[in-house]
Amino acid sequence: SQQGEEDPQALSIQEGENATMNCSYKTSINNLQWYRQNSGRGLVHLILIRSNEREKHSGRLRVTLDTSKKSSSLLITASRAADTASYFCATDEGYQKVTFGIGTKLQVIP
Amino acid sequence: ETGVTQTPRHLVMGMTNKKSLKCEQHLGHNAMYWYKQSAKKPLELMFVYNFKEQTENNSVPSRFSPECPNSSHLFLHLHTLQPEDSALYLCASSHVQGGPGNTIYFGEGSWLTVV
Repeated sequence: SQQGEEDPQALSIQEGENATMNCSYKTSINNLQWYRQNSGRGLVHLILIRSNEREKHSGRLRVTLDTSKKSSSLLITASRAADTASYFCATDEGYQKVTFGIGTKLQVIP
Repeated sequence: ETGVTQTPRHLVMGMTNKKSLKCEQHLGHNAMYWYKQSAKKPLELMFVYNFKEQTENNSVPSRFSPECPNSSHLFLHLHTLQPEDSALYLCASSHVQGGPGNTIYFGEGSWLTVV
């Protein structure tokens, strides 16, 4: 069953702008992860944030987690055309139960 | 290169055929997964293996038959599939849950078309 739900489902921005994607989930989690998928390829892990963390950075990526609202956001700053991909949040409920959402399709226009 | 290799990358098969998808991981992980990705649907977890033992079968039809001969190899045997089984099948691996986070490493996927 689907746990994480990304919003928006599609996002189109100009190169250099920031892109924000949101994820909402329903049950308690151990951690939340964000993955990226280029068209027709496998998913690549971007960042993991634990349930006791509120914010995490990795390069141009910033992830926040609000466990009281059961939501997370992924911010990509100074976007590039190469950031064009689908982005998925994945919730880890433990016992290898990692559940993915439908994803946000990001298009960065050069 | 993610350390998880899937073959074939593309497969077209008839509904009466029998074929197999193969996955190999070079990461020293002891958990392996099969996921199904269809258009406009969430990624669906199909099977999980820990130390070669199946620990999750997510109500997958019996026309999909997994096999895990060792911690590095995973197969998905396919027989009498339906057109709606056409999808991208992703293999993945990870360390067994118990650490601070279960990062999953995916292969590039096998595109399956059932005609």
